[in-house]
Amino acid sequence: EIVMTQSPDTLSVSPGERATLSCRASQSVSSNLAWYQQKPGQAPRLLMYGASTRATDIPARFSGSGSGTEFTLTVSSLQSEDFAVYFCQQYNNWPRTFGQGTRLEIK
Amino acid sequence: QVQLVVSGGGLVKPGGSLRLSCAASVFTFTNYHMSWIRQAPGKGLEWVSYISSGGTFIYYAESVKGRFTISRDNAKNSMYLQMNSLRAEDTAVYYCALTLPYFDSWGQGTLVTVSS
Repeated sequence: EIVMTQSPDTLSVSPGERATLSCRASQSVSSNLAWYQQKPGQAPRLLMYGASTRATDIPARFSGSGSGTEFTLTVSSLQSEDFAVYFCQQYNNWPRTFGQGTRLEIK
Repeated sequence: QVQLVVSGGGLVKPGGSLRLSCAASVFTFTNYHMSWIRQAPGKGLEWVSYISSGGTFIYYAESVKGRFTISRDNAKNSMYLQMNSLRAEDTAVYYCALTLPYFDSWGQGTLVTVSS
């Protein structure tokens, strides 16, 4: 099983600033990496797939990069609605696996 | 706009059974692969099971293999998860998701609580 590890567990950032979230895979997943955003009481929402392709209606302030085992999700200028939990997930191998999540909180 | 409505959750005793349903409002449901994902209270996401568009290919997480059965009825635009021999550690919100193979659209989830 591929283990996905996100860092940090919690990230405190002020609105308007930049946030960088990391995700590492225990073995290569090529570019078969997705990011999800989850707000309290809601289902997760797809943000990014193919490591760097934004999903439908996702604002351009979200960007993704990386391949192989190292991935990054960047939010260029944080808005109030961006404070949430973010999960990465690999879909290169079975079983599909998620990172433990990074909580992005207001500083 | 894809809509997925999950139902069937509830309180069940250890060793009991429950059947979850996921109803899709997608005209071409038959073209889409689907998955179940769960989230224990206050925890992260865990993929549970996958079924291909025609039902030919099915995969399970090791934690549920032999106890859970995924199925679909394309004529009813629906997918199911039959959960048997439930354990306390199966307590979670269960989501269904359209699978592309990333999880493109998610249902709202249904809470399954396994407790005596």
